[in-house]
Amino acid sequence: NAGVTQTPKFQVLKTGQSMTLQCAQDMNHEYMSWYRQDPGMGLRLIHYSVGAGITDQGEVPNGYNVSRSTTEDFPLRLLSAAPSQTSVYFCASSTSSGANVLTFGAGSRLTVL
Amino acid sequence: QQPVQSPQAVILREGEDAVINCSSSKALYSVHWYRQKHGEAPVFLMILLKGGEQKGHDKISASFNEKKQQSSLYLTASQLSYSGTYFCGTLHMDSNYQLIWGAGTKLIIKP
Repeated sequence: NAGVTQTPKFQVLKTGQSMTLQCAQDMNHEYMSWYRQDPGMGLRLIHYSVGAGITDQGEVPNGYNVSRSTTEDFPLRLLSAAPSQTSVYFCASSTSSGANVLTFGAGSRLTVL
Repeated sequence: QQPVQSPQAVILREGEDAVINCSSSKALYSVHWYRQKHGEAPVFLMILLKGGEQKGHDKISASFNEKKQQSSLYLTASQLSYSGTYFCGTLHMDSNYQLIWGAGTKLIIKP
């Protein structure tokens, strides 16, 4: 009964490096999303997907790419990391949309130097 | 437009009551409440729907005031386990089924 699994839990990057944050869920949820959480700002939606092959931008998509080739996986790619992308990233899933009950992963703390 | 949560932080003694408010400048369709403990993921508490009834979850309940575009979360006889940051997420008719999140209210319960 894993729920939503995120890897890695911690990552340190240098400016300009690229990396992928992994997210997998085993609940057969159609909806998956990525948020970033910064102090005093709550959760901000980066990208989301309502099913395999379908993705859309959220509030803060710049500098991030996503794809959804399977129902289970929704990786988040940072193309050229910048210090402004230092944050805690959460992946979340639900049965059908962002308006349903969201199940969050444990989070990935990213530091860009 | 991000909903406004108040207060930003509150410190209580175990057994005391607390109220956390979430206000929006736009018409609300629903309000979602989550709690996040330090270093952990947010966990769902409840959803308040427009025109719906007040919801309850153990000694945590919430109300939805459509006219004021506001929801309030009530924590009664608080327990140490209630400590954490409470977030409201608001859903609007034009938000494409995506929540807009408040900045959070940090609740500290002392024994």
